[in-house]
Amino acid sequence: QQQVKQSPQSLIVQKGGISIINCAYENTAFDYFPWYQQFPGKGPALLIAIRPDVSEKKEGRFTISFNKSAKQFSLHIMDSQPGDSATYFCAASKGTGGGNKLTFGTGTQLKVEL
Amino acid sequence: GAGVSQSPSNKVTEKGKDVELRCDPISGHTALYWYRQSLGQGLEFLIYFQGNSAPDKSGLPSDRFSAERTGGSVSTLTIQRTQQEDSAVYLCASSPKADTQYFGPGTRLTVL
Repeated sequence: QQQVKQSPQSLIVQKGGISIINCAYENTAFDYFPWYQQFPGKGPALLIAIRPDVSEKKEGRFTISFNKSAKQFSLHIMDSQPGDSATYFCAASKGTGGGNKLTFGTGTQLKVEL
Repeated sequence: GAGVSQSPSNKVTEKGKDVELRCDPISGHTALYWYRQSLGQGLEFLIYFQGNSAPDKSGLPSDRFSAERTGGSVSTLTIQRTQQEDSAVYLCASSPKADTQYFGPGTRLTVL
């Protein structure tokens, strides 16, 4: 049973464009929603994260939008650059008492073209 | 400072052999996690250690998988009698507190 569904599987965006990746979750006990960026041969690195008490969080060119009622959250990358080309994973966890073990989406391969 | 390190970076083994994968977490991090990343799949939780508490083994796929963490630091993931479906990248992460997990580069396991 896949608890976090991620789309699209792959995405091609022109340099300077907006990249949008969507995730939906099922478990309403999740209370922490991070996005990870992974380059080939490397481990995932935390990009940005949000808790459900806010609907949006922005850090530089990266923004998370969160819709608690729809159980959906998305990553927006503004002014996408070739260096952003990587695989992006959304994830979710239950904080207190849940051990913060992350449930991941299946990933989105982003390619930013010149 | 030094990040999470894992060894070996690559491991090729024959079906039926046992393998040990090592993780050195960031110094001072009390929580340690193991995940598995299969080709084209997301990361799958395997096991979680927090301080001196009993580990959360709920993600281990079979009793062929086990892990230990010695002295609250280094962890070893052991897979006995490896099968071809065990081929994957095994990732370790450590955390100083709730939420933020720092991942190592992973060990790519290939079972022939």
